[in-house]
Amino acid sequence: AQSVTQLGSHVSVSEGALVLLRCNYSSSVPPYLFWYVQYPNQGLQLLLKYTSAATLVKGINGFEAEFKKSETSFHLTKPSAHMSDAAEYFCAGPLYYGAGSYQLTFGKGTKLSVIP
Amino acid sequence: KAGVTQTPRYLIKTRGQQVTLSCSPISGHRSVSWYQQTPGQGLQFLFEYFSETQRNKGNFPGRFSGRQFSNSRSEMNVSTLELGDSALYLCASERPGDNEQFFGPGTRLTVL
Repeated sequence: AQSVTQLGSHVSVSEGALVLLRCNYSSSVPPYLFWYVQYPNQGLQLLLKYTSAATLVKGINGFEAEFKKSETSFHLTKPSAHMSDAAEYFCAGPLYYGAGSYQLTFGKGTKLSVIP
Repeated sequence: KAGVTQTPRYLIKTRGQQVTLSCSPISGHRSVSWYQQTPGQGLQFLFEYFSETQRNKGNFPGRFSGRQFSNSRSEMNVSTLELGDSALYLCASERPGDNEQFFGPGTRLTVL
């Protein structure tokens, strides 16, 4: 069954530094992978979505992720961290049941802190 | 376009009580999924509804149930509440075939 693993429950970066959040997927190549962001006391907001159309995916707020089949990875990056990026980030993949039905399976989440 | 709405946003109950949470999907979205989020277990799938039918259910006890109405609005119910049911309950809606779930702000349930 499809699962995703996030390395690092907590990442701290300085404002202006590169952000790198790691996600690896298991099982066969998934048709879709997602990164979501969650701000305190809020729901999940979709940052970006991978489809087989492109391995480099650009999302909102300057984030992007690259799908690497050889490494079974889908790491999230942003060239320059901003204070407003402080949040929790979740990698997710679909677990299909058939007939269009699926659930999202999530990594444990990575809390990003941005140091001024 | 209005997003997914969930009511109430916050709820405090005591053990043994029951609770009903409501989710209104984005207009045109007919699939609604529910997830439970806790610090210990993370995000876990509860169930998914489409066209008033439960298509799939996660590994939760029978105390957790739900339903979907003809206008795609969904409710979930938890009976005989336990302390461990304290969590953020998130609902997500999706337009058929989009493979993209949009989440509501969640209902924070505290069981005392």
